[in-house]
Amino acid sequence: GAGVSQSPSNKVTEKGKDVELRCDPISGHTALYWYRQSLGQGLEFLIYFQGNSAPDKSGLPSDRFSAERTGGSVSTLTIQRTQQEDSAVYLCASSLGPRGSYNEQFFGPGTRLTVL
Amino acid sequence: DQQVKQNSPSLSVQEGRISILNCDYTNSMFDYFLWYKKYPAEGPTFLISISSIKDKNEDGRFTVFLNKSAKHLSLHIVPSQPGDSAVYFCAARGNSGGSNYKLTFGKGTLLTVNP
Repeated sequence: GAGVSQSPSNKVTEKGKDVELRCDPISGHTALYWYRQSLGQGLEFLIYFQGNSAPDKSGLPSDRFSAERTGGSVSTLTIQRTQQEDSAVYLCASSLGPRGSYNEQFFGPGTRLTVL
Repeated sequence: DQQVKQNSPSLSVQEGRISILNCDYTNSMFDYFLWYKKYPAEGPTFLISISSIKDKNEDGRFTVFLNKSAKHLSLHIVPSQPGDSAVYFCAARGNSGGSNYKLTFGKGTLLTVNP
C-alpha cells in the first residue's frame, strides 16, 4: 500500500564509482521529486518529473547527476564519478500533481549515501 | 542564500507544555508554507500548512501562525507529547511562473519533549 519506497536504504561507495538510487512513488502520483539532505542542512531540491513533461533539472548540482523516470512511475537517480561531497541522504517524494492541494508531497525513507 | 531559516537547531520542552517552533523567510514570492515532521531513518511527513491569504491554521494540537509583514511563521504544539519528539522542517512554495511545485526547506529544528 504503500507509501514511497526507496532502495537501497544505505549505500557505501568509493570515490570515483557510479551509483544508482531507486524510487518507487505512490501509485497514481504523477509528480515525482528528488531532494538531498547533507549533514546539518535542509532538504535541497534536485529534480522534478511531472507526467510526460520535460523534467525540471534546475537543482542538479553538477553534470555528474542525472535522473530518469520510466513509464511515468519508477525513477532512478544516477551519480557518476562520486565525490565525498556527494555524501548525503537522498530523498524521493511524490504527489498527485503539481498544483494546489495535489502538491502535498509524500516522502520516502531516503537512501543514505556515503562516499569514502 | 538561505531563503527559509530556522534559527533554532534544537528545542527542549516538558510534556504538557507548549512547543513553539519558528521559521523566517526572505522570498516575498512564497505564498504557501508547510511544516514537516521527521523521525530518524524515516522520510519527512506532512504536518500542517498555511496559505498566505490566512494568518492562522489549526489542526488538533497543531497551529501554524503566519505573519506576512514580518515574513515569519511559527508552529505551536499544545500540549506537547513525548511522541512529538522529532525534527521539524519548515518549507515554503512560491507562485512564480510554472515552478510553484518546488519546496524550499529550512534546516530543521530538533524538538525533544521530556516526560
